[in-house]
Amino acid sequence: DAGITQSPRHKVTETGTPVTLRCHQTENHRYMYWYRQDPGHGLRLIHYSYGVKDTDKGEVSDGYSVSRSKTEDFLLTLESATSSQTSVYFCASSGTGVTQPQHFGDGTRLSIL
Amino acid sequence: DQQVKQNSPSLSVQEGRISILNCDYTNSMFDYFLWYKKYPAEGPTFLISISSIKDKNEDGRFTVFLNKSAKHLSLHIVPSQPGDSAVYFCAASQTGGSQGNLIFGKGTKLSVKP
Repeated sequence: DAGITQSPRHKVTETGTPVTLRCHQTENHRYMYWYRQDPGHGLRLIHYSYGVKDTDKGEVSDGYSVSRSKTEDFLLTLESATSSQTSVYFCASSGTGVTQPQHFGDGTRLSIL
Repeated sequence: DQQVKQNSPSLSVQEGRISILNCDYTNSMFDYFLWYKKYPAEGPTFLISISSIKDKNEDGRFTVFLNKSAKHLSLHIVPSQPGDSAVYFCAASQTGGSQGNLIFGKGTKLSVKP
């Protein structure tokens, strides 16, 4: 499976603080994605990247920003965390080709108090 | 409005029998479909996919069927094993759109009893 690691795996923080989640992949995949998973919602796309410095919004992008300065790293930032952003966050990557499956990391459980 | 629906939140099956997980979609532009399996505290793992030019794709114990006219797909697992117990997500995409923008269903929790 694709080597994707997410850090941290768990984080508890307070409302209003900035939070950055990191995703690192070792497969040299061009595409990377950030999802959130909430009860009753499945996985929803936050942002994705189609190359270094090339990113675009997904379905639930409000309150989040991303950056990709290297092929292997994709950062998700919550500028000012809110309780509604308490969730499990998954990063994924895929190779070029519209039928390439996405490979996921093991997630970051984020709690905002 | 949900574009990909998995209407059964859970399914319980006896070991050795067939498991059938269902998925419906509403967007006729979807032309590529995937199934993912997820264990607790792990990320989803790709299982099998199907293009809209096919109506069946098989990989070992796993077969996905696609009925385009009904906008319905199903995943069959035969025979079911206790290790198959997991949450299964159906996902859909438009290959002509942004690459990899998958729309996921809410998932079905499969329990395979020994």
